[in-house]
Amino acid sequence: GESVGLHLPTLSVQEGDNSIINCAYSNSASDYFIWYKQESGKGPQFIIDIRSNMDKRQGQRVTVLLNKTVKHLSLQIAATQPGDSAVYFCAENFGTGFQKLVFGTGTRLLVSP
Amino acid sequence: DTGVSQDPRHKITKRGQNVTFRCDPISEHNRLYWYRQTLGQGPEFLTYFQNEAQLEKSRLLSDRFSAERPKGSFSTLEIQRTEQGDSAMYLCASSSPRPWGTQYFGPGTRLLVL
Repeated sequence: GESVGLHLPTLSVQEGDNSIINCAYSNSASDYFIWYKQESGKGPQFIIDIRSNMDKRQGQRVTVLLNKTVKHLSLQIAATQPGDSAVYFCAENFGTGFQKLVFGTGTRLLVSP
Repeated sequence: DTGVSQDPRHKITKRGQNVTFRCDPISEHNRLYWYRQTLGQGPEFLTYFQNEAQLEKSRLLSDRFSAERPKGSFSTLEIQRTEQGDSAMYLCASSSPRPWGTQYFGPGTRLLVL
């Protein structure tokens, strides 16, 4: 069925550490993946995306890795800051002709000063 | 602010009442999406508009739910005869016409049905 799951529901790190958030996706035909950050009481905020013809994409302090062989997606955050504390969702595209995003349940990232 | 806006931000209603939420997308975005999010879960797709046409509806969208986008700009989501199970955050997102246009989300409307 349609599902996007996360291995770790909560990740606690120290400020300055690198964080890695993992995600397993179910649909081998998914062609587009996105990471969103959601702070309490707010809507999801776009972080970074990657298409299925890539295996790595870098942004500012963030890197997304895609392993299609094992249907695994990860988000790496370098030099994690307290402001990075939030729930992180991965999503995969189930749509054809438009983006029908299927989200996982999220991983809470807690950054201690 | 030129992001997606939603109104109201919070709504408390009694079971059986009708409620309507509004979403104003980013101005140049012709694609608009509605999602529902319950506590501790990721957003779930409800429906999709391209301009004024509603092109996709999830089976989550029961007959009590209706969404419109009459002029291809703002959209409304109405829930009739609300039930306690409708309590959730209702999120709107919009994206540009490009095939890989990113979906940008609004702040959401939190609905509580008593």
